[in-house]
Order: sequence, then structure tokens, then C-alpha cells
Amino acid sequence: GENVEQHPSTLSVQEGDSAVIKCTYSDSASNYFPWYKQELGKRPQLIIDIRSNVGEKKDQRIAVTLNKTAKHFSLHITETQPEDSAVYFCAASNSGYSTLTFGKGTMLLVSP
Amino acid sequence: GAGVSQTPSNKVTEKGKYVELRCDPISGHTALYWYRQSLGQGPEFLIYFQGTGAADDSGLPNDRFFAVRPEGSVSTLKIQRTERGDSAVYLCASSLQGAGTEAFFGQGTRLTVV
Repeated sequence: GENVEQHPSTLSVQEGDSAVIKCTYSDSASNYFPWYKQELGKRPQLIIDIRSNVGEKKDQRIAVTLNKTAKHFSLHITETQPEDSAVYFCAASNSGYSTLTFGKGTMLLVSP
Repeated sequence: GAGVSQTPSNKVTEKGKYVELRCDPISGHTALYWYRQSLGQGPEFLIYFQGTGAADDSGLPNDRFFAVRPEGSVSTLKIQRTERGDSAVYLCASSLQGAGTEAFFGQGTRLTVV
């Protein structure tokens, strides 16, 4: 089955800095890669996703890049703000199997 | 409601007891997923329904765990003979069609087995 590795497990940055979280996946058939943000005690919420037919996607301060050859994808947050502090999860799925496999998460702390 | 609803939000049970966790997906979503999340970990897949049938139950850890979705909407996750290791947050998610479509999560049920 699919295996998703996520790094780093924790990331501390100063407000205004950029943050990058990286994930690798094992199943070359995976074609959908969402990123979820989970604040303490709350449900995971989708912040951005990318499909295998594109290499990059941006939404304001958030961007995701995908390298299918290397089987890795990354989340980039620019101009970080304290409210970006949360745990971020990457995930991968194969549309033929429909389940999402998650990474272990990255705790992002943005200090004012 | 507009989102995925899970009840109860918290459940404390004694070791060996039976529990049922309920999930109300977003109306019209055919796909429904159950995940388990332990402290400091990512959601771990348990089972996926497409309509009324379990399309993939490969994540269920053992035969004490069972889930149903008899009418293709509400789902119930059932755990028999609970063990302390079953303590976790059980998350339900639904998506419009399943594969490659956004999954919306419920708030989860925090299960504590004492």
C-alpha cells in the first residue's frame, strides 16, 4: 500500500518568514495530493490540493509543488502569520482506490 | 447541517464494553471514510464506503471493529470488547464522489477506554 513520509515533524519560524514542509510517497500510481491544516482540538481542513497533471499550484500565500519523478511534494507558506500555527498533514491517494494515506504531520509554530 | 457531524463528541467506556460511534455525512456525498487519529499522529485509514457498501475495509485493525452504512448516508462504527489501545480520536469524512475529491472531516469522537 501507499506510504507517506513527512518532514519536518516540527517547524518554528518567525512571523513573516517562509515555511516549507516536504512529503514523499511510495505508490507511483498516486495522483491526488491534498494538504490539511488541523488546529488544536479541531477537525482537519483542506487548505490546498494538487493533482498529478500539474507541477505547481498557488493560492495567495500558499503553494504546493509536485515532482512525480522523485515522488515528492511540498507545501510552501510565505509571509507566515501567528494564525498559521497548526499541524499540517500531507496526504496521497490513487483515484482507483479512493483512500487517503496521511503523513504523520508537521507542527508549525509561528512566533510574533 | 452543512458539515459532517459526529456523535458523541466524547465517549468514555470501560475496557471490554461495546461502543458505537455515529457519523452524519454531508448530504449528497456518496463517499464516507473512517479514520483513527492517535495523539501526535496523522489520521490512520480504517474503512471507506461508496454508497452502502464497504469499498475498502483493509484498515480495520481486527475483527472487533465493524462499520455499517445501511442507507448510504449515516454510518456507524462499532467496536466490540474495547481495549485501552483503542483510545483515540475517531474521525469521519465524506466526499462528493470519492477518489480525488475533497474530503470534509467531522470534529471527531474522542474515545477513552479506561
